[in-house]
Amino acid sequence: QVQLQESGPGLVKPSETLSLTCTVSGGSISNYYWSWIRQPPGKGLEWIGYIYYTGSTNYNPSLKSRVAISVDTSKNQFSLKLSSVTPADTAVYYCARYSSSGWLPTGWFDPWGQGTLVTVAS
Amino acid sequence: EIVMTQSPASLSVSPGERATLSCRASQSVSSKLAWYQQKPGQAPRLLIYGASTRATGIPARFSGSGSGTEFTLTISSLQSEDFAVYYCQQYNNWLQTFGQGTKLEIK
Repeated sequence: QVQLQESGPGLVKPSETLSLTCTVSGGSISNYYWSWIRQPPGKGLEWIGYIYYTGSTNYNPSLKSRVAISVDTSKNQFSLKLSSVTPADTAVYYCARYSSSGWLPTGWFDPWGQGTLVTVAS
Repeated sequence: EIVMTQSPASLSVSPGERATLSCRASQSVSSKLAWYQQKPGQAPRLLIYGASTRATGIPARFSGSGSGTEFTLTISSLQSEDFAVYYCQQYNNWLQTFGQGTKLEIK
């Protein structure tokens, strides 16, 4: 079955750019939507954005000015960049597959990666 | 933005009993609602989508109901592994949003 694994630095300095990669195994990244979700420690879940394997994206307006999600089909990976981070961006970042019906996104997340904690601190 | 409100924030139930968790949307989301279970240190797991369709491999003791703005997740006979935090998520609007979660604790 499809498995997802996040990777990237666990510590980022304020004002710098957070960069994470999600590697998809057990299946192709093609023909699906892929998403990033984050969870601050002890808090709830926030959708960051999603990308179609073709490169089409959709972002949460609250983060849109700072977020970029990209896809590399040759490596079966997709990536997240979040610029100008502050301590408020400290969270566990999850990647997940976003459901779809053909090329139309439908809206739930399954499966998820295990998550990676990113701390923003100097 | 559609705001999802879950109640109660925490719920204490004995093993073997029924648990009923609620999720309310600030405007209609039709049946475009999902439920997730999250255990400590783990990623959320999809339980229900389309308000009432169980995801693959989810036991029949989990059931979802509702439409519009009011939704319910029912766990018919609690097992020890069911004690966790449960989140609802709406996807009627392209800006999908989650509830704040209900923590289900052992009584």
